[in-house]
Amino acid sequence: EIVLTQSPGTLSLSPGERATLSCRASQSVSSNYLAWYEQKPGQAPRLLIYGASSRATGIPDRFSGSGSGTDFTLTISRLESEDFAVYYCQQYGSSPWTFGQGTKVEIK
Amino acid sequence: EVQLLESGGGLVQPGGSLRLSCAASGITFYNYAMSWVRQTPGKGLEWVSSISGSGGSTDYADSVKGRFTISRDNSKNTLYLQVNSLRAGDAAVYYCAKGNVALLVGGNYFDYWGQGTLVTVSS
Repeated sequence: EIVLTQSPGTLSLSPGERATLSCRASQSVSSNYLAWYEQKPGQAPRLLIYGASSRATGIPDRFSGSGSGTDFTLTISRLESEDFAVYYCQQYGSSPWTFGQGTKVEIK
Repeated sequence: EVQLLESGGGLVQPGGSLRLSCAASGITFYNYAMSWVRQTPGKGLEWVSSISGSGGSTDYADSVKGRFTISRDNSKNTLYLQVNSLRAGDAAVYYCAKGNVALLVGGNYFDYWGQGTLVTVSS
């Protein structure tokens, strides 16, 4: 089983600032099959990024993903008020599909 | 517009059973693998089970293997999860999630999620 470790656990930032979230895998993720999801309180997760760097339909270009192998990053270039949420990474290269524990981006 | 609507959650005693359902609309249902993912405050998001578009292939997390059964009725655009022998650790919000391809292979990410149904396990 691939274990995903996200850091930091909480990121305290102000609107307009840049957010950099990390996801590290215990072994290489097949074909860089790594996704990022956003979740707001009381809502289901929403797909942001798939294939490590491809934005899902309707996702603003301030969200970008990068990385390969075992180290992946989600960057939000300029935080908007609606971006304060919890972000999860997930690998879908090999079963069991696994998620990271999440990074909370909160308003400073 | 893709919509996934779960139902069937509720309060059940340890050892009890439930059948969760997920009604899909806005998609050609049989063209996509479907999955169940659960979420607890303590353990975050956990993949539970997946089924191919045809229903011919299934996959389960070790934690539920032998107790949970995933199925689908493509004529009704509905996904199911039969949950038996429930334990306290199974208490969670259960989400259904749509895959981006029909087969259960690597590369099948979750592009749409339902709003979830809550399963509570307590005596």
